[in-house]
Amino acid sequence: GIQVEQSPPDLILQEGANSTLRCNFSDSVNNLQWFHQNPWGQLINLFYIPSGTKQNGRLSATTVATERYSLLYISSSQTTDSGVYFCAVGRGNEKLTFGTGTRLTIIP
Amino acid sequence: ETGVTQSPTHLIKTRGQQVTLRCSSQSGHNTVSWYQQALGQGPQFIFQYYREEENGRGNFPPRFSGLQFPNYSSELNVNALELDDSALYLCASSSGGVSEQFFGPGTRLTVL
Repeated sequence: GIQVEQSPPDLILQEGANSTLRCNFSDSVNNLQWFHQNPWGQLINLFYIPSGTKQNGRLSATTVATERYSLLYISSSQTTDSGVYFCAVGRGNEKLTFGTGTRLTIIP
Repeated sequence: ETGVTQSPTHLIKTRGQQVTLRCSSQSGHNTVSWYQQALGQGPQFIFQYYREEENGRGNFPPRFSGLQFPNYSSELNVNALELDDSALYLCASSSGGVSEQFFGPGTRLTVL
């Protein structure tokens, strides 16, 4: 099956810093989503981005499907940005395959 | 618009017992997918239901089974519970085809 790798696994930043999270995948996909998992386990949808670039406030994402990677940018980090960020990909209309996540900790 | 809901929030069972978890899909969605998330890992796909039929299954044994009802809500049943079944169970709904999936808050199952 398709493999998804996220980097870095852990990231600790000072409040106000910028960060870039990366997601590499091993095969062509037609579905790619970024999620933020809060401390209670809820997966919050950030972006649905099988290709191209999108922005939502301080967050933006870019997927280069031909090179099989996606990037999530967080600018001016806030403590509420802390948590685990997951990239998930799909090739059909069925399952999403998740990466192992990036744990982001923002220090005040 | 109502989001995806799951019940119960938490559940404690003993080894060998059976459990049923429930999920209500988001308004307008006809597809429900179930995922298992063990501690420290990403969610793993269990199976998906589309218009009351199973539409894809991950690498889970037959004791994991499901149903989807005419209103597109869904149940996940797990028989003969094992200690390793302890996990967060997540339900996602979507509008079918290749589309964005939206997740519920999850059910945290503990097997003793």
